[in-house]
Amino acid sequence: DTEVIQTPKHLVMGMTNKKSLKCEQHMGHRAMYWYKQKAKKPPELMFVYSYEKLSINESVPSRFSPECPNSSLLNLHLHALQPEDSALYLCASKRTGETDTQYFGPGTRLTVL
Amino acid sequence: DQQVKQNSPSLSVQEGRISILNCDYTNSMFDYFLWYKKYPAEGPTFLISISSIKDKNEDGRFTVFLNKSAKHLSLHIVPSQPGDSAVYFCAANYGGSQGNLIFGKGTKLSVKP
Repeated sequence: DTEVIQTPKHLVMGMTNKKSLKCEQHMGHRAMYWYKQKAKKPPELMFVYSYEKLSINESVPSRFSPECPNSSLLNLHLHALQPEDSALYLCASKRTGETDTQYFGPGTRLTVL
Repeated sequence: DQQVKQNSPSLSVQEGRISILNCDYTNSMFDYFLWYKKYPAEGPTFLISISSIKDKNEDGRFTVFLNKSAKHLSLHIVPSQPGDSAVYFCAANYGGSQGNLIFGKGTKLSVKP
């Protein structure tokens, strides 16, 4: 089983709202990722968690706040977003070997009004 | 500067024929390459990968070839089926065991019945 579960599938929020995206996997993967994908563009890495610790933040604005409460869960907290933050947000996970494959969830389609 | 390039934004192939998708990279430190298939509004689905110590990997209808001296890889799909119609992303692994991926811009494959 290589399932990564993301909720919600769609989210519409105003610029003053606070919302959270959730990601869950039960494959025992200890590396988890958040990506952002705009239309007709490739996924771009935002954050990497390794063994529940944030190891990479790709210069993401502070209005995006990741959290890894345990080895199966990854959250992305959103606050004071801008319309240009509208995108597909993808979660991925992998084991921690160099040649292990990242498996992606279906994504959350976020629209900021 | 793009480190992973897919120079063909689209490719159209007749059902039953071979589809060849190409990818070039610039960083000789990349040690692992992956191909993902993506439908609109869904997460990327892993297809096949290849380590830099190999020049070929085959899985059913999918074969990936790696030419390290030319910094070039290709994905062959034989025979192509209409269900293969999707966007195909080439990705290169950097960052060692954390497995951070750099994606190409994707090639949209259309397989016509």
